[in-house]
Amino acid sequence: QVQLQESGPGLVKPSETLSLTCAVSGYSISSGDYWGWIRQPPGKGLEWIGSIHLSGSTFYNPSLKSRATISIDTSKNQFSLELSSVTAADTAVYFCARHPGGGTPSDFWGQGTLVTVSS
Amino acid sequence: DIQMTQSPSTLSASVGDRVTITCRASQSTSSWLAWYQQKPGKAPKFLIYTASSLESGVPSRFSGSGSGTEFTLTISSLQPDDFATYYCQQYNSSLFGPGTKVDIK
Repeated sequence: QVQLQESGPGLVKPSETLSLTCAVSGYSISSGDYWGWIRQPPGKGLEWIGSIHLSGSTFYNPSLKSRATISIDTSKNQFSLELSSVTAADTAVYFCARHPGGGTPSDFWGQGTLVTVSS
Repeated sequence: DIQMTQSPSTLSASVGDRVTITCRASQSTSSWLAWYQQKPGKAPKFLIYTASSLESGVPSRFSGSGSGTEFTLTISSLQPDDFATYYCQQYNSSLFGPGTKVDIK
C-alpha cells in the first residue's frame, strides 16, 4: 500500500520560500510513476501545483510555474516542493500525491499539511 | 485554457436519495475525467476515472457517466458516509472543478 507523508514548516514569512517534503513508504518512488503536489486554501477548492517523473521531467501549473520547483530524491524515497516569494495567498493545505502516469488521476494522497504565510 | 464548472455548488439531500452532480468542461476533454470525495480535514479520495470506471473498493452505488464536455456523478442511494464535497478533475491538464458539497437536508 502506497503511503505518503508531507512534512515541513507550518509557518513561512511573506517573500520567503516554502519548502515541503513528501516521504513515500510501502512503495518505491523509482517504480516509474508521477508524483505531484496539490494545494487547498482554507475553505476553497483544489489546485494542482505540479508533478515530477522519476526521469526528472517536471510539469507545472502555468499560474505557479515561475515560483514552483519540484525535485525527487530516489535514495530517500521522497520528493519535494519549493515555492518562492510566497504571499498570504499561498496559505493552504498542501497535499502530495501519486499518479500512475502522465495525465492520470491521483490515486494515493498524503494527509496534507497546513502552511500559513504570515509575518 | 479549459475551465471546469460543477453544479450545483451545494446539494441538500436525505439518506436514501438519488443524487446527481454535473461537471462541465469549457472544451472537450474526451473521457479524461475523474471524481474525488473529500471530507473535512481529510485528503480527497479517488472514486472514478475515465469518466465511468469505478476505482477498486469504491461502493457500487457510485457511478459516473459522460464524455466530451458534460459529465455526471450519481450516488444511487445516499448513505450517511457520503455527506462530503465532490470534485471533478480533468486529469489530462490536472484541472479540478470547484466542488459540490452534499449536505444533510
